[in-house]
Amino acid sequence: AQSVTQLDSQVPVFEEAPVELRCNYSSSVSVYLFWYVQYPNQGLQLLLKYLSGSTLVESINGFEAEFNKSQTSFHLRKPSVHISDTAEYFCAVSAISGGYNKLIFGAGTRLAVHP
Amino acid sequence: KAGVTQTPRYLIKTRGQQVTLSCSPISGHRSVSWYQQTPGQGLQFLFEYFSETQRNKGNFPGRFSGRQFSNSRSEMNVSTLELGDSALYLCASSLEGVYENIQYFGAGTRLSVL
Repeated sequence: AQSVTQLDSQVPVFEEAPVELRCNYSSSVSVYLFWYVQYPNQGLQLLLKYLSGSTLVESINGFEAEFNKSQTSFHLRKPSVHISDTAEYFCAVSAISGGYNKLIFGAGTRLAVHP
Repeated sequence: KAGVTQTPRYLIKTRGQQVTLSCSPISGHRSVSWYQQTPGQGLQFLFEYFSETQRNKGNFPGRFSGRQFSNSRSEMNVSTLELGDSALYLCASSLEGVYENIQYFGAGTRLSVL
């Protein structure tokens, strides 16, 4: 079984400041890791993913996340946030073998960017 | 390419009724998964279908059921609605394959049970 813990339910930050959203997971099997973002009244959008290879993954809008196997973490970072980054962010895992596309989500972190 | 389409976007039902939600996956995607999102329980996996077969099921009562058609479109049904079934129901589709099981989500159907 897998579980995901997002350590902060809310993160307030000023515009142009750096931010880190923390995610730890627990699993008895190897997993894929994902970050999804949800804007108000919308579905989930894939932000970035770790499937294999380089442990540092980047998105097109400046976010990055690093897979740390020893610490079972997949923290999301951005060096300078914009007002438009205000949203809820979900960390998720899926078992590599036999997962059959079952995503296990964390509880979410609400990022609020203030001017 | 069109994204995942869920219909309807909003539904209001009363306790005891049943409801059917529809999901059309991205063209070429054969896997469809369903999730329930509530403020209290967060995002929870309901079930996943591939080639008209349910491959995986979450921890929900039998009132929640689904099916998938030969064109990969999927429906989920909730019978004997309860107040606690009020939620955003999200559908996701994906390709099949070792490096392709990335799920793309629709905008969801918001169900309110009165």
